[in-house]
Amino acid sequence: DTGVSQNPRHKITKRGQNVTFRCDPISEHNRLYWYRQTLGQGPEFLTYFQNEAQLEKSRLLSDRFSAERPKGSFSTLEIQRTEQGDSAMYLCASSLLSGETQYFGPGTRLLVL
Amino acid sequence: TQLLEQSPQFLSIQEGENLTVYCNSSSVFSSLQWYRQEPGEGPVLLVTVVTGGEVKKLKRLTFQFGDARKDSSLHITAAQPGDTGLYLCAGFTGANSKLTFGKGITLSVRP
Repeated sequence: DTGVSQNPRHKITKRGQNVTFRCDPISEHNRLYWYRQTLGQGPEFLTYFQNEAQLEKSRLLSDRFSAERPKGSFSTLEIQRTEQGDSAMYLCASSLLSGETQYFGPGTRLLVL
Repeated sequence: TQLLEQSPQFLSIQEGENLTVYCNSSSVFSSLQWYRQEPGEGPVLLVTVVTGGEVKKLKRLTFQFGDARKDSSLHITAAQPGDTGLYLCAGFTGANSKLTFGKGITLSVRP
């Protein structure tokens, strides 16, 4: 078991560009979560999947954000028309069905110039 | 809105000292997790506490869940420079399956 992996680890983009991040969860975990963390804050929930179904989305997830988990394995998070306020660490976590013990990946740090 | 307040926000101590930090909320959680995070990395799970009054030990770290399941404490004995990092607590309710995090406690242990 290699844990949760995320790619890329770092992304620098210009305002207005689209970016896509990938998360590979722990293989037997049904649930996959996306969080966002800004400097000086704890992670904030964005959305989660149970298998391939997206079950909840935070109000933080504007219509420029879309997440998918097409085969119930890896997930992608896309941000369209990036803004400077999107600069943050994007964290992925996975868990078994109970959901309470979530294991995090190393994160993707996004900088929008 | 569920809020978790962690205190103190920053702590700088000498190697060998003991410390206790806190995680408080007005909400009841079905479980509470403590994570440690290093700069540029994701949070690493330290412990999950589930039962009110529960105490768990992880080497020199002792975690306690409050009787009412609204608060928790982390005590470190004989702190070492390797304990340096951001300590995050997160509450889980089960109803919405998300973790609600505090802002974290930045601990620095000087050699």
